[in-house]
Amino acid sequence: QSVLTQPPSVSGAPGQRVTISCTGNFFNIGSDYDVHWYQQLPGAAPQLLLSGADNRPSGVPDRFSGSKSGSSASLAITGLQAEDEADYYCQSYDSSLSAWVFGGGTKLTVL
Amino acid sequence: QVQLVQSGAEVKKPGSSVKVSCKASGGTLSGYGVSWVRQAPGQGLEWLGGIIPMLGSSNYAQKFRARVTITADDSTSTVYMEFSSLRSEDTAVYYCARGGLDRNWFDPWGQGTLVTVSS
Repeated sequence: QSVLTQPPSVSGAPGQRVTISCTGNFFNIGSDYDVHWYQQLPGAAPQLLLSGADNRPSGVPDRFSGSKSGSSASLAITGLQAEDEADYYCQSYDSSLSAWVFGGGTKLTVL
Repeated sequence: QVQLVQSGAEVKKPGSSVKVSCKASGGTLSGYGVSWVRQAPGQGLEWLGGIIPMLGSSNYAQKFRARVTITADDSTSTVYMEFSSLRSEDTAVYYCARGGLDRNWFDPWGQGTLVTVSS
């Protein structure tokens, strides 16, 4: 049972826009801790996709964007491409656990 | 850009211990936090703990505090994670990643080390 809740799966056709939600509580996202997003391609290690509100590491296209409101955050992917098919994880800090916490992950399927 | 290179896969018996290493290549870990995150087969990511090698200060998730020890050799930019009293449910890929303790995100990540616990 992950501290942050994500939908198990989402899907979309090439060119479409999809969003992935990440729901926390008062002790993590709701306490204004930043939310970060990772992409994990099949058989590979996770890679940082977005840090903080909307900071993309070098090489990450601006098709990926993040937002946060209250105790929830979202990752939006526009202009969906086949290469975006992967697992996506949100991550924050939880003050009640004094630990860095992750969502359970969302599998994105490009139809 | 620093890369993190981990030691190879391990197969261990229940009740034994395993020690996994994570070495910085192309840079240093000095002054930065390094964390360990695991991923059980088909499951999500779970933070175990971390260390700042230059300071030697470490921090652990409550769940793993009794069984995980994270140490560092700052002179070789290598961080170690030792996991004791292994159980079958500890079978997972263990990743090291720069971050935690000094900043709240993780980047870059090591390639991962598969630890299989089986009798």
